[in-house]
Amino acid sequence: GAGVSQSPSNKVTEKGKDVELRCDPISGHTALYWYRQSLGQGLEFLIYFQGNSAPDKSGLPSDRFSAERTGGSVSTLTIQRTQQEDSAVYLCASSISAPPDTQYFGPGTRLTVL
Amino acid sequence: DQQVKQNSPSLSVQEGRISILNCDYTNSMFDYFLWYKKYPAEGPTFLISISSIKDKNEDGRFTVFLNKSAKHLSLHIVPSQPGDSAVYFCAASEGSGNTGKLIFGQGTTLQVKP
Repeated sequence: GAGVSQSPSNKVTEKGKDVELRCDPISGHTALYWYRQSLGQGLEFLIYFQGNSAPDKSGLPSDRFSAERTGGSVSTLTIQRTQQEDSAVYLCASSISAPPDTQYFGPGTRLTVL
Repeated sequence: DQQVKQNSPSLSVQEGRISILNCDYTNSMFDYFLWYKKYPAEGPTFLISISSIKDKNEDGRFTVFLNKSAKHLSLHIVPSQPGDSAVYFCAASEGSGNTGKLIFGQGTTLQVKP
């Protein structure tokens, strides 16, 4: 079956603009995660959704970042008033059920803020 | 502060020899550890995991060793193959992996020479 897909693959935006990044998890996976990887850094946890439970937002770096998951499937990560330090690869992952089920990653969205 | 550290940014080994990738952590609450492999322009893929109740886990050519007292884990690949050339990330979590929040190291780029 299809893996995790993300769109767009690349996004270039100007400082101050809002961006939306989309993640389509593997069909039937109930858990969904967002991470980001800045240049030369490891993956940084952002947010985790599990079924209908309240998401774990503990990794969101500021209130400019938000995410939602509609219908328990597709997720959108929104960054408002983008800053240059937001430039990174944003990765989405999903797992069949709750952790520690294996997280399957998408290819990521490379965000560049000019 | 970096809770998971991979101090070697790169490693080069000859095909057929052993590759040893190292990872150190500082948070004594971590009790579940994973290794992921990442090729360029792709998302990370899960390789192998280990719970803190074990000190070794083996899967084919891949073995992970955990030294809790030293807060150190390592990934051994033997024999190494050119297709193993990739970036390797170690990751850790609390709560036996049930929190969903993985903390990643910066990654080590492995090159296996034919």
